[in-house]
Amino acid sequence: EPEVTQTPSHQVTQMGQEVILRCVPISNHLYFYWYRQILGQKVEFLVSFYNNEISEKSEIFDDQFSVERPDGSNFTLKIRSTKLEDSAMYFCASIYRDRDSYEQYFGPGTRLTVT
Amino acid sequence: DAKTTQPNSMESNEEEPVHLPCNHSTISGTDYIHWYRQLPSQGPEYVIHGLTSNVNNRMASLAIAEDRKSSTLILHRATLRDAAVYYCILRDNNNDMRFGAGTRLTVKP
Repeated sequence: EPEVTQTPSHQVTQMGQEVILRCVPISNHLYFYWYRQILGQKVEFLVSFYNNEISEKSEIFDDQFSVERPDGSNFTLKIRSTKLEDSAMYFCASIYRDRDSYEQYFGPGTRLTVT
Repeated sequence: DAKTTQPNSMESNEEEPVHLPCNHSTISGTDYIHWYRQLPSQGPEYVIHGLTSNVNNRMASLAIAEDRKSSTLILHRATLRDAAVYYCILRDNNNDMRFGAGTRLTVKP
């Protein structure tokens, strides 16, 4: 069964450093998402991406965040200058067609620890 | 955003049915009701979805009230592997999924 993969599984970084989290969505999917989950809290929507541009973004997704699909397979989330409060699990998800599809496929997540 | 309300936690015995309720009194006519679950240390996974009619799949059943203001996810025979946080989510017009706190299901052997 096809799956969404994410690398690395765990990233430790120092406050103020830039990090790039990588995701490989399912190959024929067209819509891509990033979510985060702070330990013990709910899953929070960050951004959706379609046709090489951001479709929607939440209030969390400020200027420190950016997303990119640099090639036909990877989908990345960049945090320019990490803060302690960015420590969380980051999940990537993809879906074939948005309104007509119902199942978002989630990756296993990247645990980001900012020290 | 249309909101959902779920109990914080529920318990079930293994091999017994589980009914997980969700209230969504402000649902709009075009909102689909989705259920996802998150097993420990994993990403969310799709369980089931519906619009107006009750739905069944290999994982669960979804019972939707006639006025669509509430729904119930039914696990017919809970197993230990069903212990997870279950999220009831409405897909809004922007197609973004907004997760609530969900219901933490504990399954006792």
